Amino acid sequence: QKEVEQNSGPLSVPEGAIASLNCTYSDRGSQSFFWYRQYSGKSPELIMSIYSNGDKEDGRFTAQLNKASQYVSLLIRDSQPSDSATYLCAVNKSGGYNKLIFGAGTRLAVHP
Amino acid sequence: GAVVSQHPSRVICKSGTSVKIECRSLDFQATTMFWYRQFPKQSLMLMATSNEGSKATYEQGVEKDKFLINHASLTLSTLTVTSAHPEDSSFYICSAKVRGGTDTQYFGPGTRLTVL
Repeated sequence: QKEVEQNSGPLSVPEGAIASLNCTYSDRGSQSFFWYRQYSGKSPELIMSIYSNGDKEDGRFTAQLNKASQYVSLLIRDSQPSDSATYLCAVNKSGGYNKLIFGAGTRLAVHP
Repeated sequence: GAVVSQHPSRVICKSGTSVKIECRSLDFQATTMFWYRQFPKQSLMLMATSNEGSKATYEQGVEKDKFLINHASLTLSTLTVTSAHPEDSSFYICSAKVRGGTDTQYFGPGTRLTVL
């Protein structure tokens, strides 16, 4: 079992729709959760962090965390073609390892 | 805020030469920096964790004598790929954590290395 799992996609959604990206993790001690966006040929950029169960909203983005189910998700409202990218879920590794474990990413394609 | 730079952005070198990549935190101090490698259409792979003033911690399977890491100050870490070979051609990306901050990592723009 991978430490952080994401569906590789591609997830194809029409412009204006809601894109839902999911991530599960195996480390029950993890406390910090992140979503990064990576455009082709570029480095990852931070979209959101979330530390507590529930929802966290920032503009068109909403991160959802359920520690009991070991599940993190990212919702993108009013999806735009410019949102087309690979979305990486990252989780801190507990036990003092001082690093993030990244999922392989979900490729999102928003079509006009 | 939390800007990380890398230099160079692209480098082409001959097989057998060494290449140094710099990673700088521009507006914050970073006690910890990370070096990743990413091959085309593959996921990020953590190579090593760099701590200011101490030896780097390498991930399993990463040769410490081939990938030399130095974190001499709170704003600068360097990765030297020694005796580079074509199979070392990849996208090298650094990230940094804010000193005294959370686990959030801020990424540099990456360095694309091509070894001929």
